[in-house]
Parts: sequence; C-alpha cells; structure tokens
Amino acid sequence: KNQVEQSPQSLIILEGKNCTLQCNYTVSPFSNLRWYKQDTGRGPVSLTIMTFSENTKSNGRYTATLDADTKQSSLHITASQLSDSASYICVVSGANAGKSTFGDGTTLTVKP
Amino acid sequence: NAGVTQTPKFQVLKTGQSMTLQCAQDMNHNSMYWYRQDPGMGLRLIYYSASEGTTDKGEVPNGYNVSRLNKREFSLRLESAAPSQTSVYFCASSEVLLAGGPQDTQYFGPGTRLTVL
Repeated sequence: KNQVEQSPQSLIILEGKNCTLQCNYTVSPFSNLRWYKQDTGRGPVSLTIMTFSENTKSNGRYTATLDADTKQSSLHITASQLSDSASYICVVSGANAGKSTFGDGTTLTVKP
Repeated sequence: NAGVTQTPKFQVLKTGQSMTLQCAQDMNHNSMYWYRQDPGMGLRLIYYSASEGTTDKGEVPNGYNVSRLNKREFSLRLESAAPSQTSVYFCASSEVLLAGGPQDTQYFGPGTRLTVL
C-alpha cells in the first residue's frame, strides 16, 4: 500500500528561526511530490512540486528537497514568520495511480 | 476568479438525513475531487472525476454518491447521514488528473464543515 509519513507531527518554533519538516514515502513508481500549506479553517494551497529529476525547489522562504533514491523529502522554512503557522502536507503521486497519497501533515506553530 | 467554491460552509444533520454538498470551479479544469479530513488525519479521497462524464471511487467511497453535473460542477451526496461522516469536506480541481507536472496541481475550496448528530 502506498504510504506517506511525515515528521514531526507538530513543531513549535520562535519567530525568526529556521525549521525542517520531513516526508518519507513508499509510493512507487513515483511521479511527483508536492508540499501544501493549510491554514486553519482553509483548504490546502500548493507550495512546491518536484518531479523525479528535481532535487531542490524553492518558493520564497520555503525550500523543498527530494531524494528519490531514499524516497525522502524535506521542507525547509527560513526566517519563520507568524504567518507560517499552519499544517504542512506532503502529497505524493504515483505514475500509475491516477490519484495522490496525502501525508497526515505537520502542524507548525510559530511563536513571537 | 473565485477558484473553487463550496456550499454550504457549515451544516448540521441528524442521523439518517440526506444532503448534497455543492462544488464549482471557474478555472476550466478537467478533473475534480472530493476529500474528507478528520482531526489529526490526512485528506482522504472519496470520489474523483477525471473529466466531464466520468466518476471513480477513491479511498473511502462508502455512504457517498457523486455527480459531475458539467465541467464546472461536482456534487457530493450523503443519502443517509451517519455520525461517522462528521468531518470537513474539501472539493478540489486540477487541469488534468495526472500529468507529472504543474498541470495536475490541485486547487482546493474552503471546505464544508459537516456535523451529523
């Protein structure tokens, strides 16, 4: 069964600090991996997308990495802001599945 | 552009009642999806529609039906609501079902918060 596991489940950091969220997956054959940000009470919004050949993708203060050999991805947030408080969801699509597998998300809280 | 809109935003039902959740997108996307999200859990796919005229079951289809009314609209129906269906329901759309690129990025609506008593 295709699985996506995220860690940590929750994280609290101080404003201005950096943090890294992890995503491990077993989806095979692999097509692409996305990171979504979900603010409380809202629908998820796409942050980055990476295909097999890409190992780094940035979107402002967000940098995602992908190691397709070890089936791991990370999302690094630089100089965190209060508005970064949200749930971050890793979503992996398999080449044959036609559907995506969602991780349970990491809840990030940024405190002043 | 409104993107993906969902109605209603909130709904309370009694066990056994029926209702339809509405979803519409104005991005001319081919594919649409219904998910449910329970506290502390990831989104789980209920049904999806790869293109107008087609629908397929997702991970958790039992107790639900869907209709792809036209290219813009995709509705989710609960025929006999049960407390286990208390959840937040998200509709999403994408340009295509799966293309390995930005075209299959899903755009989500704001969600419908459903409580079944």
